[in-house]
Amino acid sequence: QKEVEQDPGPLSVPEGAIVSLNCTYSNSAFQYFMWYRQYSRKGPELLMYTYSSGNKEDGRFTAQVDKSSKYISLFIRDSQPSDSATYLCAMVGGFGNEKLTFGTGTRLTIIP
Amino acid sequence: DTGVSQNPRHKITKRGQNVTFRCDPISEHNRLYWYRQTLGQGPEFLTYFQNEAQLEKSRLLSDRFSAERPKGSFSTLEIQRTEQGDSAMYLCASSPPSGRTQYFGPGTRLLVL
Repeated sequence: QKEVEQDPGPLSVPEGAIVSLNCTYSNSAFQYFMWYRQYSRKGPELLMYTYSSGNKEDGRFTAQVDKSSKYISLFIRDSQPSDSATYLCAMVGGFGNEKLTFGTGTRLTIIP
Repeated sequence: DTGVSQNPRHKITKRGQNVTFRCDPISEHNRLYWYRQTLGQGPEFLTYFQNEAQLEKSRLLSDRFSAERPKGSFSTLEIQRTEQGDSAMYLCASSPPSGRTQYFGPGTRLLVL
């Protein structure tokens, strides 16, 4: 079993819809959680970074962390065709742990 | 642009040849990471530097791989005697002294024929 599980999709939604992307993890040592967006043949771009359980909002993006369930989510409101990309969840442990552990990524397409 | 830069962006080589990639991190960032990403997968950790010290290496980093960061600034990743299984995107990331977030470069795409 992988430490981080993420549905690879593909996921297609109409423009303007709310998108929900999710990851589950098994390692209780993970304390910091990130979402990256990756366009085809490009490097990952940091979207959201959270530490504690709860919600964090940034524009159309909301990141949600539930440490008790080992479950994180990213919500995209008013989705745009430019949001079409692969979304990667990533997590890292506490002090002294530096490597990010990624999910496989979910490929998202927003249909105009 | 003051982001992470990587060179070359693409490399095609024949099996058995050596290749070297370069990464220039964001200037204030003292931590530098190398990851490898294959098609349909998330990036996988290879190695990590804090300043010039290499502090962690993944089991993925076989003896044919070596990474350096001689002056605590740019880093190089060398692959000796390349194999077809080395074909992947090699990503570099950097992180500031006080932060946990890692900022990625555009990657070097390697194809071994």
